[in-house]
Amino acid sequence: ETGVTQSPTHLIKTRGQQVTLRCSSQSGHNTVSWYQQALGQGPQFIFQYYREEENGRGNFPPRFSGLQFPNYSSELNVNALELDDSALYLCASSATRTGVYHEQYFGPGTRLTVT
Amino acid sequence: SQQGEEDPQALSIQEGENATMNCSYKTSINNLQWYRQNSGRGLVHLILIRSNEREKHSGRLRVTLDTSKKSSSLLITASRAADTASYFCARLETSGSRLTFGEGTQLTVNP
Repeated sequence: ETGVTQSPTHLIKTRGQQVTLRCSSQSGHNTVSWYQQALGQGPQFIFQYYREEENGRGNFPPRFSGLQFPNYSSELNVNALELDDSALYLCASSATRTGVYHEQYFGPGTRLTVT
Repeated sequence: SQQGEEDPQALSIQEGENATMNCSYKTSINNLQWYRQNSGRGLVHLILIRSNEREKHSGRLRVTLDTSKKSSSLLITASRAADTASYFCARLETSGSRLTFGEGTQLTVNP
């Protein structure tokens, strides 16, 4: 167990709806990254938050947005859901210090199904 | 789309045999990491190798990195049925803070 938790575990939504996924980072970690993993593929980077600011974004449209809170937990919001948004959404927390890379610890993921 | 390649895509071996998975990439890296994933669950970090390292060991795992060929390999020795999982390489590029994952190798270890 990494200490990173995600909720909910599973979610079913209808095309066009909006969804919010949540992630609690490991104690002492100030950085959260979100990844989307489609079935049979490797995870793809969505964005990263460091000290409540977006710190890098992958090739995802603006309807994918996020937040990081003062306790370093994070939310991923997806508007106007499309069928292709069906995937496992993973968050990972890490401790970022200038010039030093630390490992990312992944949560168990949220399985989103869009019908 | 992913910018790394892993091969093989699938590997099936008998318990006790060694399993080797390879990963190639195109850009400069800060480090390269290997992860394991069981049946669509969360990723488990296995090992990290920095760009100035050539080989690293952790238990039954051995990772090599050849930055001139932009490739890495993961060797699992004396495999067990419990090693059955998908294995992914992920690189941290020098220009950013994101991990870029390969497509993964599905390893099946038959008892």
